[in-house]
Order: sequence, then structure tokens, then C-alpha cells
Amino acid sequence: DAGVTQSPTHLIKTRGQQVTLRCSPKSGHDTVSWYQQALGQGPQFIFQYYEEEERQRGNFPDRFSGHQFPNYSSELNVNALLLGDSALYLCASSRRRVAGVTDTQYFGPGTRLTVL
Amino acid sequence: RKEVEQDPGPFNVPEGATVAFNCTYSNSASQSFFWYRQDCRKEPKLLMSVYSSGNEDGRFTAQLNRASQYISLLIRDSKLSDSATYLCVVRGWASNFGNEKLTFGTGTRLTIIP
Repeated sequence: DAGVTQSPTHLIKTRGQQVTLRCSPKSGHDTVSWYQQALGQGPQFIFQYYEEEERQRGNFPDRFSGHQFPNYSSELNVNALLLGDSALYLCASSRRRVAGVTDTQYFGPGTRLTVL
Repeated sequence: RKEVEQDPGPFNVPEGATVAFNCTYSNSASQSFFWYRQDCRKEPKLLMSVYSSGNEDGRFTAQLNRASQYISLLIRDSKLSDSATYLCVVRGWASNFGNEKLTFGTGTRLTIIP
């Protein structure tokens, strides 16, 4: 049973560029959440997708956008990259049970983004 | 004030010792509580959920005090393999759809010394 997978594992971009990160959830999971983890910090919630819609969003600017596909996989897009966007980007998947409650979130290995 | 606060450490502890981590959270509406473990340059992995009644999993014991908004993790008979960063995590409720957002502390770095 494959766990959560993310691609690419590493990425180097320059300021002003745009980047797309990808995530495939664990088998049986339908909800995908994205987190940003800066060096020495805990992960910070970016947003969550369920049924191809953004359901909840953290305190991140509109430069951060996402998408969920019918097969539950997801993309995170970041436009106009800043040096401060350098971080580990983590995708977590979970299975929605009832009324907005999901099971445990399982994390993928992350994509390490460096902005020069 | 941060939503979830932890002592960042580092904690350097001899093998076999007992070590305790503490965490406080600010949102009294928080519903679920967890400890995650994160190895260097790896993803966080769920260590254990935390319940008001307290719960134990082998050498690990977690406690929740809702009145004080305080969470703890105790590791007994520490092993070299326990070296990692331990993240205190809180989950709450949003107003319209439920809330799966996990709020993490900064993590506490633990190193077990042989």
C-alpha cells in the first residue's frame, strides 16, 4: 500500500518564478492538506482540499494556490517566488468520515524548495 | 502569542533516562491533540494521540489537561532511536465545514547520548 507521495523531492528556483508541487494521497484517502515548514519551525497550514474544492485556508497570500483532481491528487502552485518561500512543503492526506471530521493525517516526504 | 508553544530544547539526555516534554495551546476550542515525531530532513509521523484520561504506548505516556490547556509527553527508558524532534499538534474546528487544520508547535529537539 503506497503512502503519500510527492514530487519533485528537491527544487531550486529564482525570485519571481512560479513553481508547481505535486502530491498523491495514500490509497483510500480523499482529503489533501498542504503545509510549509521553514527551517527550525513546525509545519504551517497552507490549505486543504476535499471534493476538488479548497475547504480551509491558513494565513498565506494569494500567491499560494492549489488544485485537487478527480483522482484526489493535488497540486500546490506558488507564484512570484520570494526568498522567504524557501522551505519544506509537506502534503498530508486523510480520509473524511462524517461532518468534516477526518482520520489521522499522513504526511508525504515533502518537497524541499530553495529560492535564490 | 503562538497558538501552540513548546520548549525548543535541545534536550540532551543519557540513554536509559526519562525525559518529559511540555506544550501549551491557546485556543480553548481545540478538539484533538497529538504528538508527532520528525526525524532529521524527514516528514512528521504520528507518535500518539493525546486524551484527557491520559494514554500510554509502551515507553511513551501522553497527558492532556484541558483546564490548563497543557499537553505533555513522557518517554521512559530512552533509546538512541528516540533521538528526533517531537512536535506538539492541536486540531480544532472551523465554522462551516469542520476543521482538519493541524497547528504545530515549533518542536522540541531530543538527542539521546550513549
